[in-house]
Amino acid sequence: DAKTTQPNSMESNEEEPVHLPCNHSTISGTDYIHWYRQLPSQGPEYVIHGLTSNVNNRMASLAIAEDRKSSTLILHRATLRDAAVYYCILRGNTGKLIFGQGTTLQVKP
Amino acid sequence: EAQVTQNPRYLITVTGKKLTVTCSQNMNHEYMSWYRQDPGLGLRQIYYSMNVEVTDKGDVPEGYKVSRKEKRNFPLILESPSPNQTSLYFCASSLNRVEVTEAFFGQGTRLTVV
Repeated sequence: DAKTTQPNSMESNEEEPVHLPCNHSTISGTDYIHWYRQLPSQGPEYVIHGLTSNVNNRMASLAIAEDRKSSTLILHRATLRDAAVYYCILRGNTGKLIFGQGTTLQVKP
Repeated sequence: EAQVTQNPRYLITVTGKKLTVTCSQNMNHEYMSWYRQDPGLGLRQIYYSMNVEVTDKGDVPEGYKVSRKEKRNFPLILESPSPNQTSLYFCASSLNRVEVTEAFFGQGTRLTVV
């Protein structure tokens, strides 16, 4: 199973953009890149996913490097409610989500 | 509202006393799975099911059983719980194994085995 590497923690100021990086150098051609986040005392929540092209949805944007060995989750305007652990996950054809340690995002008012 | 419901949310039990954690989804999803979350180890898959009557082991299946008699339900069974099964458990469901769609997670069950 391919693994991902993320910084342990990041800080942001409220209302500013946040770029959360993820390295996945052993990604295979069929692995999708997924991002989930986990708020305190809650289950993981889907954020976004992509394969090769950049993706946008109402929550965030996902920028995928051309060689697919890295990606960046972009929160355009961080709010206090975005404080959570963000997981970058590779999902293959088994359906299994392999969670790493994630990045703990702190948002300062 | 699309949701995955787990019960109970909190449970304290004694070693060896059989217990079941229930999981139900209302989205007609084929793929369901159980994860446990431990400090420093993250979330690890215990068992998964690709459809009714089809289950398979995940990464940490020892000490657990599951069943999938109906599409909507996927209970996690601990026949003889031990203290090392003290953990936070999450049930998840997604459309199927192949379609790359989002997974929905339950709110979690915090289990303490004494």
